[in-house]
Amino acid sequence: QLQLQESGPGLVKPSETMSLTCTASGGSIIIDNYYWGWIRQPPGRGLEWIGSIHYSGSTYYNPSLKSRVTISVDASKNQFSVTMKSVTVADTAMYFCARAHTVPYRYFDYWGQGALVTVSS
Amino acid sequence: DIVMTQSPDSLAVSLGERATINCKSSQSVLYNSNNKNYLAWYQQRPGQPPKLLISWASTRESGVPDRFSGSGSGTDFTLTISSLQAEDVAVYYCQQYYDSPCSFGQGTKLEIK
Repeated sequence: QLQLQESGPGLVKPSETMSLTCTASGGSIIIDNYYWGWIRQPPGRGLEWIGSIHYSGSTYYNPSLKSRVTISVDASKNQFSVTMKSVTVADTAMYFCARAHTVPYRYFDYWGQGALVTVSS
Repeated sequence: DIVMTQSPDSLAVSLGERATINCKSSQSVLYNSNNKNYLAWYQQRPGQPPKLLISWASTRESGVPDRFSGSGSGTDFTLTISSLQAEDVAVYYCQQYYDSPCSFGQGTKLEIK
């Protein structure tokens, strides 16, 4: 059974760069038919797709965040990561990693438990 | 971008009764070449990540109880829980994956009356 686990700092200062890593276990991310995505959820609010990556390195981003976000993959470690620069308090959210079927922005069938990132000085 | 709007924002239903949640997209998510609606439903219990319930508007995921059903086409969709159980208390989201960026509804909070 595939499991995904997010990790990274829970507190980031405004204007700094945030980084999170998702580690997959119980299955490999080296599968042609899947993409690996990041979705965030501000406290008490809805879901926003950040972007997705294929194990080959192809990336797809939400245009609203594209200028500040980079998603990368380390297939040898079964991991993928998200980096967001110039964060503000509006980036405070639970960040989930998840698996998407076939297309980078398709439905997400496996999710991590989430990592809360708070942007505060 | 496609905007997804759910109604109502919150809903209270008695145990054993039917719950109905609606989702409307700002443009059709029906792909004519394969006659598929690119619409999913998720359940998010408190403190948990979203769980995929239904894809392609009406296809239940493995292990999802059959009291959950999805219907609709084009721009109007419905998630129905035929007989509400206590464990169904959650926030429910629809998602379109017809076009990038994919987008989610604002959520519908389902409670027990």
